[in-house]
Amino acid sequence: GAVVSQHPSRVICKSGTSVKIECRSLDFQATTMFWYRQFPKKSLMLMATSNEGSKATYEQGVEKDKFLINHASLTLSTLTVTSAHPEDSSFYICSPHRTYTQYFGPGTRLLVL
Amino acid sequence: KNEVEQSPQNLTAQEGEFITINCSYSVGISALHWLQQHPGGGIVSLFMLSSGKKKHGRLIATINIQEKHSSLHITASHPRDSAVYICAVGEETSGSRLTFGEGTQLTVNP
Repeated sequence: GAVVSQHPSRVICKSGTSVKIECRSLDFQATTMFWYRQFPKKSLMLMATSNEGSKATYEQGVEKDKFLINHASLTLSTLTVTSAHPEDSSFYICSPHRTYTQYFGPGTRLLVL
Repeated sequence: KNEVEQSPQNLTAQEGEFITINCSYSVGISALHWLQQHPGGGIVSLFMLSSGKKKHGRLIATINIQEKHSSLHITASHPRDSAVYICAVGEETSGSRLTFGEGTQLTVNP
């Protein structure tokens, strides 16, 4: 099956710093990338949708200036959490999409102290 | 009311038992996904179906479009099946975007 990697898998950072999460589709090209966050014992919540080479579309309530998404190529998308605060601590999952098929990255667990 | 409802929320079974997890949805869909999430967090896509039935090993997924209902069955359950199982639907009007159920926590005891 298709392989999706996320890096880092875990990160602990101080409040006020920025954290970049990379998502790579290793053996296929993703036309669309979805970024989700998941709080403990909760379901996935869509943060934003991006297509390669264009600006991301953010869900209501998600600050685009705080969660910067770059989808520069069909195999790489990044999510940068800027000026992170403890309430940003969560599990972030990328989900690349290609025709008729959805894949999921292994996730990145962010803890902001 | 959520657009995607799963039941039960929690399920405990003994090894070897036959397990059923249900998913009901209220919107028109293009496809329904069953996902598995292990304690570490990684998500595995088990099935994507838009009609009928699919089988993979001990897992079977069925969908009834008219009734807006899907079931995931696990035969001869094993402790390694312990995970959260999530139903997600791709809505007709939103392309590849998914709406997720709350998940079913399955624990299979030896």
